[in-house]
Amino acid sequence: GAVVSQHPSRVICKSGTSVKIECRSLDFQATTMFWYRQFPKQSLMLMATSNEGSKATYEQGVEKDKFLINHASLTLSTLTVTSAHPEDSSFYICSARGPGDEKLFFGSGTQLSVL
Amino acid sequence: DAKTTQPPSMDCAEGRAANLPCNHSTISGNEYVYWYRQIHSQGPQYIIHGLKNNETNEMASLIITEDRKSSTLILPHATLRDTAVYYCIVRFFTGGGNKLTFGTGTQLKVEL
Repeated sequence: GAVVSQHPSRVICKSGTSVKIECRSLDFQATTMFWYRQFPKQSLMLMATSNEGSKATYEQGVEKDKFLINHASLTLSTLTVTSAHPEDSSFYICSARGPGDEKLFFGSGTQLSVL
Repeated sequence: DAKTTQPPSMDCAEGRAANLPCNHSTISGNEYVYWYRQIHSQGPQYIIHGLKNNETNEMASLIITEDRKSSTLILPHATLRDTAVYYCIVRFFTGGGNKLTFGTGTQLKVEL
């Protein structure tokens, strides 16, 4: 199946700093990517839909100025957590619609820990 | 997207079939049933999907009832590596930004 690469897998940062997470579709072009967040022992929660060449669409309650999404090419979307705080510590996962639109493929996730 | 209901947890002996149920009584005619699983601290993995007919692939079988209000994912010979949270999701299959909305899923534990 299609491969989605997410980097880094784990990051620890100080409170107030910004962190960038990359999501790449390795063997297909993805016009749409999705960003999820998952807290311990909870399900995945959709944060935003990233569309190549246009502004991302954020779910209700997600601060667009805090979680900056850029989808500048058909194979790369980035999520930047700005001025991170301990409550932003979470598991962040990206996904991309595969060829033919039938399936979503997921990255391996990024564990963010804000001290 | 239609809401799904799954049991929170299930146990299965290794080598036996694991049958994971899902209720989606409000599913509409053009919504597909998808199954994903998430092994601890990893991204979800696609398993199988279907609309009306039963489906089978190298990983699992999907049985959808005739009225489409429920389905069952079958792992024919469960192994320890199948221990994961299994998510049943219904969604439209159309162009555009159709997204997956995850419920709470079923924690499957495969034991010796």
